[in-house]
Amino acid sequence: KQEVTQIPAALSVPEGENLVLNCSFTDSAIYNLQWFRQDPGKGLTSLLLIQSSQREQTSGRLNASLDKSSGRSTLYIAASQPGDSATYLCAVAQRGETSGSRLTFGEGTQLTVNP
Amino acid sequence: DAGITQSPRYKITETGRQVTLMCHQTWSHSYMFWYRQDLGHGLRLIYYSAAADITDKGEVPDGYVVSRSKTENFPLTLESATRSQTSVYFCASSDLGARADTQYFGPGTRLTVL
Repeated sequence: KQEVTQIPAALSVPEGENLVLNCSFTDSAIYNLQWFRQDPGKGLTSLLLIQSSQREQTSGRLNASLDKSSGRSTLYIAASQPGDSATYLCAVAQRGETSGSRLTFGEGTQLTVNP
Repeated sequence: DAGITQSPRYKITETGRQVTLMCHQTWSHSYMFWYRQDLGHGLRLIYYSAAADITDKGEVPDGYVVSRSKTENFPLTLESATRSQTSVYFCASSDLGARADTQYFGPGTRLTVL
């Protein structure tokens, strides 16, 4: 059974700092890995999707990397802003005939960026 | 507005009652999903559907029933609500499934079972 772990569970940084969020997964047989953002009381918003054949994806100040062999992904946020404060969730799409459409989520990292 | 909507946004019910949570998407996406989010467990998949009239169980399907008679709707029914089903429920959709495509999430329904 796939397990996804995110470290740290919470992170508080001053505005302008560069930061890294970590995600690890136990089964490397994945289709892709996705990073989501969740604001309090809201749904999830997709940030980046990395296919299993890719090493990284970038969108603006966000860069996500994937090392499938070691079961790890990182989300790098450059020049953090108070508006980046949210919970960041990592999810993997598992290979397999019956599970090809499933996402397994980590519990998230709650980020606070202080002005 | 186009997108994915859920109703109701908040629901309080009593143990043993039947409750239906609605999900509607305007993109004509093939895949739709139901998740529940609980402290200590993250998001867990309840059921998903690859197309109209095709549904399959996820990680935690017990106590839930789904149907998909139309592509755009994917209702989730709790046949006899229990306190352990108190949670936030999210519906999501995608065009190609999780294999190659982003999932788009609704705003969630907060359900409290007394």
